[in-house]
Amino acid sequence: GESVGLHLPTLSVQEGDNSIINCAYSNSASDYFIWYKQESGKGPQFIIDIRSNMDKRQGQRVTVLLNKTVKHLSLQIAATQPGDSAVYFCAEKYNQAGTALIFGKGTTLSVSS
Amino acid sequence: EPEVTQTPSHQVTQMGQEVILRCVPISNHLYFYWYRQILGQKVEFLVSFYNNEISEKSEIFDDQFSVERPDGSNFTLKIRSTKLEDSAMYFCASSRDGEAFFGQGTRLTVV
Repeated sequence: GESVGLHLPTLSVQEGDNSIINCAYSNSASDYFIWYKQESGKGPQFIIDIRSNMDKRQGQRVTVLLNKTVKHLSLQIAATQPGDSAVYFCAEKYNQAGTALIFGKGTTLSVSS
Repeated sequence: EPEVTQTPSHQVTQMGQEVILRCVPISNHLYFYWYRQILGQKVEFLVSFYNNEISEKSEIFDDQFSVERPDGSNFTLKIRSTKLEDSAMYFCASSRDGEAFFGQGTRLTVV
């Protein structure tokens, strides 16, 4: 079955709001997670990553939270801007010993002005 | 800023024909990957390449597919005898020791 997935296929927010995009994973042995952003017609772009020895990691306007107890990952975007409109994928290692990734289904974030 | 480049951006081919998709990874990267994305779906892993050999591959990457690093800069994906269901965006990616950087993709249309 699918290892990585997302709760909602779409999320619509107003400019300036905070956005939360969720992801559930099934492999309790996973130790590395990544969020990617994909704009229309482009390849995935790295946003932020987190290792399983952390619960939270912050970047510029983004925060990733990891709850290993319930195998849940979330991406929080502060003060969402129209340029944040894209599809967001969570990903984890395809094999724990390797470097390839398995992606979830994606959440389309739409930001209106 | 260094980037992964892919050519062509769009390839149309007839069913049964062979195609070669080309990629130039970032120059100091060590790991190279091919992924594909069928329209409207998630990104799927095909194969990873390290130290001049395949290091991981998915069940999608069957005998129809092959990869090659013919010189010090190019990384290619060959699809033999294309099928209609091979139509997708194919992304090349590379990494050094952490995040993978993706190219803009090649849209393959099999007719």
